[in-house]
Amino acid sequence: DSGVTQTPKHLITATGQRVTLRCSPRSGDLSVYWYQQSLDQGLQFLIQYYNGEERAKGNILERFSAQQFPDLHSELNLSSLELGDSALYFCASSVIAENTEAFFGQGTRLTVV
Amino acid sequence: GNSVTQMEGPVTLSEEAFLTINCTYTATGYPSLFWYVQYPGEGLQLLLKATKADDKGSNKGFEATYRKETTSFHLEKGSVQVSDSAVYFCALTYAGGTSYGKLTFGQGTILTVHP
Repeated sequence: DSGVTQTPKHLITATGQRVTLRCSPRSGDLSVYWYQQSLDQGLQFLIQYYNGEERAKGNILERFSAQQFPDLHSELNLSSLELGDSALYFCASSVIAENTEAFFGQGTRLTVV
Repeated sequence: GNSVTQMEGPVTLSEEAFLTINCTYTATGYPSLFWYVQYPGEGLQLLLKATKADDKGSNKGFEATYRKETTSFHLEKGSVQVSDSAVYFCALTYAGGTSYGKLTFGQGTILTVHP
């Protein structure tokens, strides 16, 4: 158990809909990262938050947004869903520092039908 | 930009065989290097890491040495087991700028070990 909790584990929704994925980081970790894992793109960094503020953005679509709350949990919002958004979404957390290591949750598998 | 290239898979071995999975990287600055493992239906777990040149990371019989001169971080294990069957990812962090801890991953290598 990494200490990072993601909910829900599975999500099936229709095209055009909006979903919210939730992540609780390890106790004491201030930084949260979101990654997307798909068969064609592999593991792609989406966005990073540190202590409530956005720190870095990767290949995140405009239809996607995220935030980190004062209790440090984070949510990833995906809207106007398309079939191609079907993927495994991982959250990771770390103590922000150089050369740190990230601890991953078990992921949310999103299926858009 | 930063990138990680892993040997293409899948890799299929018999139990007790020697394993090598090649990984090379391109990065500015001095990255830290990682190997993550993903077992079926699970998230990524850190397998080992190295933070500077010539460091050797090791865990559960796996080893990898940070080679700056060849920009490589190859994963090795002397005798694999069926339980090692998983997907292995090489990754780096860019130790600079504002994205501390952000990981850049290779494409992953599927390892299957047969009894």
